[in-house]
Amino acid sequence: EPEVTQTPSHQVTQMGQEVILRCVPISNHLYFYWYRQILGQKVEFLVSFYNNEISEKSEIFDDQFSVERPDGSNFTLKIRSTKLEDSAMYFCASITTGGHEQFFGPGTRLTVL
Amino acid sequence: DAKTTQPPSMDCAEGRAANLPCNHSTISGNEYVYWYRQIHSQGPQYIIHGLKNNETNEMASLIITEDRKSSTLILPHATLRDTAVYYCIVRPLYGGATNKLIFGTGTLLAVQP
Repeated sequence: EPEVTQTPSHQVTQMGQEVILRCVPISNHLYFYWYRQILGQKVEFLVSFYNNEISEKSEIFDDQFSVERPDGSNFTLKIRSTKLEDSAMYFCASITTGGHEQFFGPGTRLTVL
Repeated sequence: DAKTTQPPSMDCAEGRAANLPCNHSTISGNEYVYWYRQIHSQGPQYIIHGLKNNETNEMASLIITEDRKSSTLILPHATLRDTAVYYCIVRPLYGGATNKLIFGTGTLLAVQP
């Protein structure tokens, strides 16, 4: 069964450092998403991406965040200068055009010290 | 904000049916009801969706009231592995250029042995 993969599973970084979280969506999917979940809180939408550009972003997704699809398979989330409050699980998801089921990856746990 | 209301928690005995309610009194005519679940810190997992008819798949059944203002997710024979947070989400199939999901706090279903 096709699945979304994410690497690394756990990333520890120092405050102020840049991190790149990587995702490989399902191959025939065209819409890609990043969500985050701070420990004990709701899953929050960050950004959606279609046709090599951002479709929509939330208030959380400020200038410190960026997304990229550098090749035909990877989808990345970059945080330029991490803050303590960026510590969370980050989930990547993808969906095909007209599909109902959004497929989520297993997540990357980001810990900012 | 999420447009659904769910009880924060429910218990169910293993092997019995789990019936998870959801109120969505402001649902629009073009909005679907989706159910996802999240097993401890894993990525959310799609379960089922419906527009106005009852639906069944290998995981669950979805009962939507005739006025569409509420629905019930039924897990016919709950197992310990069904212990998770269950999210009821309403949205149109095409939310503009994005199919983002807005998660509420969901219902924590605890299946008891």
